[in-house]
Amino acid sequence: AQTVTQSQPEMSVQEAETVTLSCTYDTSESDYYLFWYKQPPSRQMILVIRQEAYKQQNATENRFSVNFQKAAKSFSLKISDSQLGDAAMYFCAYRTVSNFGNEKLTFGTGTRLTIIP
Amino acid sequence: NAGVTQTPKFRVLKTGQSMTLLCAQDMNHEYMYWYRQDPGMGLRLIHYSVGEGTTAKGEVPDGYNVSRLKKQNFLLGLESAAPSQTSVYFCASSRWTGPREQYFGPGTRLTVT
Repeated sequence: AQTVTQSQPEMSVQEAETVTLSCTYDTSESDYYLFWYKQPPSRQMILVIRQEAYKQQNATENRFSVNFQKAAKSFSLKISDSQLGDAAMYFCAYRTVSNFGNEKLTFGTGTRLTIIP
Repeated sequence: NAGVTQTPKFRVLKTGQSMTLLCAQDMNHEYMYWYRQDPGMGLRLIHYSVGEGTTAKGEVPDGYNVSRLKKQNFLLGLESAAPSQTSVYFCASSRWTGPREQYFGPGTRLTVT
């Protein structure tokens, strides 16, 4: 079974600085998808960024980028120029490529990010 | 375009009572999901549906039932609520192709006393 581990329960960063959130996962599959979701105090889960395992290029979405290390099974999220609105719980998630019987997203336990003004 | 909506947003039940949570999506997604979120445990899949009229069990299905009579709606039922079902419930939907990115509703906070 796949597992996702976020070893940093809490992180903090000064506004305008850069922060990296860690995520590792365990799988025997060679093809899969990885996601970062953001959950602000409003509770809404918002997709931040997605990475396909077969792509070597790291995904980037504006100030958000990932460092995907497939051999190490590591998928970290880098937030550049941190803003107050980035304060949230961040969840790493894994999904298999298989189309049958494996529909769930496996989530990590989350990292709470605080932005210091 | 409202995305994924959930009704109600909050509910308090007594042990043994029943209730139904409603999820609706207007993105014409084939797949829909119900999760529960508990402190320190991330989100866990309860049930999901790959199309109208079909449902399947997820990771933690016991004590819940679901129905998908219309493509845009996915209902989660608790027949006899227990305190262990106190949680925040999220509905999500996705396309059936590609990465199947899941889009989430705002959640329902349920307390069972």
